[in-house]
Amino acid sequence: GQQLNQSPQSMFIQEGEDVSMNCTSSSIFNTWLWYKQDPGEGPVLLIALYKAGELTSNGRLTAQFGITRKDSFLNISASIPSDVGIYFCAGPETSGSRLTFGEGTQLTVNP
Amino acid sequence: GAGVSQTPSNKVTEKGKYVELRCDPISGHTALYWYRQSLGQGPEFLIYFQGTGAADDSGLPNDRFFAVRPEGSVSTLKIQRTERGDSAVYLCASSLSVGVNTEAFFGQGTRLTVV
Repeated sequence: GQQLNQSPQSMFIQEGEDVSMNCTSSSIFNTWLWYKQDPGEGPVLLIALYKAGELTSNGRLTAQFGITRKDSFLNISASIPSDVGIYFCAGPETSGSRLTFGEGTQLTVNP
Repeated sequence: GAGVSQTPSNKVTEKGKYVELRCDPISGHTALYWYRQSLGQGPEFLIYFQGTGAADDSGLPNDRFFAVRPEGSVSTLKIQRTERGDSAVYLCASSLSVGVNTEAFFGQGTRLTVV
């Protein structure tokens, strides 16, 4: 089946720093989704990307849909302690009925 | 609340026992999904419902797993003869409909521990 590879697996940064993480796939996705999961909670959608080359922002978050449709990145600017959590990329199957998730990037922000 | 609600939040059971996990989707959402998340991994798809019917159950790992949604709202995931390898967080999500542009909202999950 489809697989998504996320890197890095974990990041330790200082408050105020910018951070970048990315996601690659061996197959094409027509939609890329970025989620954040806090401990004991379900994933929450941050950004959705629907077109190759699309660059979308949500506050301090910016994500891009790669031109090849096989990759995406997520940037967080001026990190704050509440950015701590696990960030997942995900892509829907063609029908949109199920999502394939990456393994996540664990972000730690030191105050 | 208005979000997806899952009960119980935690369940500890003995190997070989039967368990039921419940999901209350957002009112009016016709699509409902179950995912399983092992420690350090992303969620993995199990099954999804469109209305009352299971439209895709290809993610269920074996026939010990079964899910129902008899009235097109609440869903129950049932696991028979539980094994230690079934230990994971079981996430439920719902969406207004099915489609690539339709956002799925997740519940907080049920953490299942089989001892």
